[in-house]
Amino acid sequence: QVQLVQSGSELKKPGASVKVSCKASGYTFTSHAMNWVRQAPGQGLEWMGWINTNSGNPTYAQGFRGRFVFSLDTSVSTAYLQISSLEGEDTAVYYCARYYCSGGTCFLDYWGQGTLVTVSS
Amino acid sequence: DIQMTQSPSSLSASVGDRVTITCRASQSISGYLHWFQQKPGKAPKVLIYAASTLQSGVPSRFSGSGSGTDFTLTISSLQPEDFATYYCQQTYSSPRTFGQGTKVEIK
Repeated sequence: QVQLVQSGSELKKPGASVKVSCKASGYTFTSHAMNWVRQAPGQGLEWMGWINTNSGNPTYAQGFRGRFVFSLDTSVSTAYLQISSLEGEDTAVYYCARYYCSGGTCFLDYWGQGTLVTVSS
Repeated sequence: DIQMTQSPSSLSASVGDRVTITCRASQSISGYLHWFQQKPGKAPKVLIYAASTLQSGVPSRFSGSGSGTDFTLTISSLQPEDFATYYCQQTYSSPRTFGQGTKVEIK
């Protein structure tokens, strides 16, 4: 069965960095792109971008260019989200989600459980 | 960027009610529209993809319709486990924007 298991909650100080992992199992990792989605406390879902798990090429939404980096380690079927120079506004739950394509459309069919990143001094 | 606007933002309904949620895109997205359900403290779960295709394992009381700019999610008979927040998302173009969500609460 398909599973995406994310790393645990993080508490970081402003200016620090954090790296969130998303380990995939139950399917061929390189067959499906991986997306990242942010949800600030009490807020809606915000699409951050995605990474091509074949080429490693990332695509970032406008508000996530610069401090946010998507990466992969295909040898362990894991995607990573690294955020540098953390700010209070980065406090959120971060989700990885698999991109599934069928019949000409692609959608997010499996999601990780989410990783809470709290930025506080 | 394509803006996705859901209405209403919240609604109160009773078990057994028929519930309809609307999602409007700021430009045509053909049928590249998907619906998600999220319960508190949990990851979103896809209900409907490509506007009207029921995801495997999702109860048949959920249905979706629409194309172009206007879409609806309908719950034919609301069940206790359906109280949640619902989001639409377009994958027609990047960024793959979500609607702001519709919270379905118990009346």
